[in-house]
Amino acid sequence: ETGVTQTPRHLVMGMTNKKSLKCEQHLGHNAMYWYKQSAKKPLELMFVYNFKEQTENNSVPSRFSPECPNSSHLFLHLHTLQPEDSALYLCASTSVAQGARGQPQHFGDGTRLSIL
Amino acid sequence: SQKIEQNSEALNIQEGKTATLTCNYTNYSPAYLQWYRQDPGRGPVFLLLIRENEKEKRKERLKVTFDTTLKQSLFHITASQPADSATYLCALGSSGGGADGLTFGKGTHLIIQP
Repeated sequence: ETGVTQTPRHLVMGMTNKKSLKCEQHLGHNAMYWYKQSAKKPLELMFVYNFKEQTENNSVPSRFSPECPNSSHLFLHLHTLQPEDSALYLCASTSVAQGARGQPQHFGDGTRLSIL
Repeated sequence: SQKIEQNSEALNIQEGKTATLTCNYTNYSPAYLQWYRQDPGRGPVFLLLIRENEKEKRKERLKVTFDTTLKQSLFHITASQPADSATYLCALGSSGGGADGLTFGKGTHLIIQP
């Protein structure tokens, strides 16, 4: 059971294609995140949005472009990807409140991306 | 650079025993530490939070300790069951406040054998 929905669940694309990953949260949260999970590597933070404003870009290549039109939706636009970008892309959300650190992050089940 | 190490890639425990997972970190002063469970093909699920000024937290069969001097957290599952088999992730958060992104370890794949 998850209040964070990611689509599509699987995506295969060529290096010259353009595609977008979508994330939607139904939990009333105000912060959203993109993480990348590659085999044998820890989850890597990519982007953070707090109240729709991007607050962190963790040195992610420009071929990944995030968009957060409102606090419930988050997109990751992909173009000219490389084979090493094949991974599981996870979206998460949380509720940020003044003085309350460490709120749990709620994850979607991810999009499994394969670059041919 | 910041580094998080979880004791082993895989841990086999007999059903009914206590499973103990380790999370060590270097070059980091976290404000809090979280543990997540991840099943194959699914996203991580939050289990427990422990803050820097706390030594121990418990939730049902789960217990977490946090030693900021040793830079280590231990995660215990007592009376383990085959359904506890999963990958367990340690994650650290900074004191920056706001929408902290987490720094994760690689995880420990726990297998509880009947």
